[in-house]
Amino acid sequence: DSGVTQTPKHLITATGQRVTLRCSPRSGDLSVYWYQQSLDQGLQFLIQYYNGEERAKGNILERFSAQQFPDLHSELNLSSLELGDSALYFCASSTGLAGVQETQYFGPGTRLLVL
Amino acid sequence: KNQVEQSPQSLIILEGKNCTLQCNYTVSPFSNLRWYKQDTGRGPVSLTIMTFSENTKSNGRYTATLDADTKQSSLHITASQLSDSASYICVVSGLYTGTASKLTFGTGTRLQVTL
Repeated sequence: DSGVTQTPKHLITATGQRVTLRCSPRSGDLSVYWYQQSLDQGLQFLIQYYNGEERAKGNILERFSAQQFPDLHSELNLSSLELGDSALYFCASSTGLAGVQETQYFGPGTRLLVL
Repeated sequence: KNQVEQSPQSLIILEGKNCTLQCNYTVSPFSNLRWYKQDTGRGPVSLTIMTFSENTKSNGRYTATLDADTKQSSLHITASQLSDSASYICVVSGLYTGTASKLTFGTGTRLQVTL
């Protein structure tokens, strides 16, 4: 158990809909990262937050947005969903204090299926 | 274009045998290289992190090597166990520039250890 929690575990929805994925980082971690993992692709970095502020952006679509709240939990919002958005979405956290070498701890993921 | 290529794509070995997984990258400028183990349907778990100046790093039966000149890394697994069956992902981080994060993921090597 990494200490990172994600809800829900599974999500089934229809095209065009909007969903929110939630992540609670490990106690004391200030950085939260979001990743997408599709069947035919490896892990794709989406976005990073540090202590409530956006720190870095990866291959995140404009239909997707995220935020980190004062209690440090984070939400990833996916809108106008398409079939191709079906994937595993992982959240990871780290202390945010050790620079580029620090270990990221991954949550169990949310499996999204868009029908 | 930053790329991380892993080989082989998949591998089957007998329990107790050793194996070596390869990772070649073109990420520049280079910051660090990580190896993750990912069990099916679960979040990745960090095995090793290496910076430019590190040639080798061990974590139990896992030993990673890095040749920053040739931009190659390998992950050697000694005396494999059934529990080593997983995907092994190589991740290369480029130097941060401003708020830009340059994490490039390989698509992984799927290892199956059999009796």
